[in-house]
Amino acid sequence: QVQLVQPGAEVKKPGSSVRVTCKPSGGTRSTDAISWVRQAPGQGPEWMGGIIPVFGSPSYAQKFQGRVMIAADESTGTVYLELRSLKSEDTAVYYCARGWEVTVFDYWGQGALVTVSS
Amino acid sequence: QSVLTQPPSVSGAPGQRVTISCTGSTSNIGAGYDVHWYQQLPGTAPKLLIYTNTNRPSGVPDRFSGSKSGTSASLAITGLQAEDEADYYCQSYDRSLSGVIFGGGTKLTVL
Repeated sequence: QVQLVQPGAEVKKPGSSVRVTCKPSGGTRSTDAISWVRQAPGQGPEWMGGIIPVFGSPSYAQKFQGRVMIAADESTGTVYLELRSLKSEDTAVYYCARGWEVTVFDYWGQGALVTVSS
Repeated sequence: QSVLTQPPSVSGAPGQRVTISCTGSTSNIGAGYDVHWYQQLPGTAPKLLIYTNTNRPSGVPDRFSGSKSGTSASLAITGLQAEDEADYYCQSYDRSLSGVIFGGGTKLTVL
């Protein structure tokens, strides 16, 4: 059974950075894509970007270009999301999601709540 | 304002049929990009319900079906059950934005 493990919640100050991790396990394929999708309170999901770890090159949503980095550590299988220059509007649950390509998501992590507050 | 437009809410009695529309443009659905649908129960992650316009993942009841035509797509739910009460999101790709897009979501209430 595919699982995407995401460690819990984080509280960050405005202007700081956050790094969220995602470790896929069980039934994963070498060409799996891992994407990051966030959901602000009471809002719909918002795609931030994705990566196919075996190929390495991430793609990002235009809205987050220059402020986000997605990377994968092939030795551990962990995928990372780093978001810089945090604002209160970045308060959201950050999900990692797997797909057979970056544009579809068939398994989701449990989400990590990131709260940006002074 | 989402690029894909969904009705904010729909409702139906148990056993009835409801449909949820997802309207896009020639930059996304109308350009031939696939539409996927997700169901989100309160406090949980979204779950893939329909992929590539019409396909159901293993374990999804055949009461759920998807269709696509022109610049729009639809999700139909027949034999409505109380457990279907959730938020539903459509999702596609937009070539102008060069990225994945979601609809604003539709809250389904089972009366």
